[in-house]
Amino acid sequence: GESVGLHLPTLSVQEGDNSIINCAYSNSASDYFIWYKQESGKGPQFIIDIRSNMDKRQGQRVTVLLNKTVKHLSLQIAATQPGDSAVYFCAENYGGATNKLIFGTGTLLAVQP
Amino acid sequence: GAGVSQSPSNKVTEKGKDVELRCDPISGHTALYWYRQSLGQGLEFLIYFQGNSAPDKSGLPSDRFSAERTGGSVSTLTIQRTQQEDSAVYLCASSLSGPNEKLFFGSGTQLSVL
Repeated sequence: GESVGLHLPTLSVQEGDNSIINCAYSNSASDYFIWYKQESGKGPQFIIDIRSNMDKRQGQRVTVLLNKTVKHLSLQIAATQPGDSAVYFCAENYGGATNKLIFGTGTLLAVQP
Repeated sequence: GAGVSQSPSNKVTEKGKDVELRCDPISGHTALYWYRQSLGQGLEFLIYFQGNSAPDKSGLPSDRFSAERTGGSVSTLTIQRTQQEDSAVYLCASSLSGPNEKLFFGSGTQLSVL
């Protein structure tokens, strides 16, 4: 396959600024969405999830927005910290019996001190 | 256990050899998943277990790949006659009971095929 993943989209922000990471999902029938954070050498770590009957959900310093009309998901991180530097993945659940999470290609968040 | 445990953490093998990767899910989790992550890329779904059965194995790339789960707990992913393109991080995840739940991931097995 192609090696486009070697050049992840990158978002560079200053410490203390707010970050917005965007994701376009593929299946209009998907009913569950998750954001994961992955640090180098580690497995993905759950951040926040949202179901399709909602359009916004807030956690600690994070907010997920869901726009089903245009199949768009975003993750907002308030007061970004150096420890937030990682690759962020969105994932959608195609639903049904298979419960298969399909992941996007990821966005690298680089926080500048 | 406290989290999903995978072993080995690193595996180097020669082309043509078989390898087995092991996953211990979180105790009590009935659903288990295998994903593959190539360098700098997203996660590619391989197979999903509910208990000991695999309702969805659609992501297995070829018949060289197989997986089993026994006792509703430990799972083994086997790759036969490994090829260089099999080099990747193999991630295992589990969830409590199935659909529409967050997955908890292990740290993965880094497989390098020389």
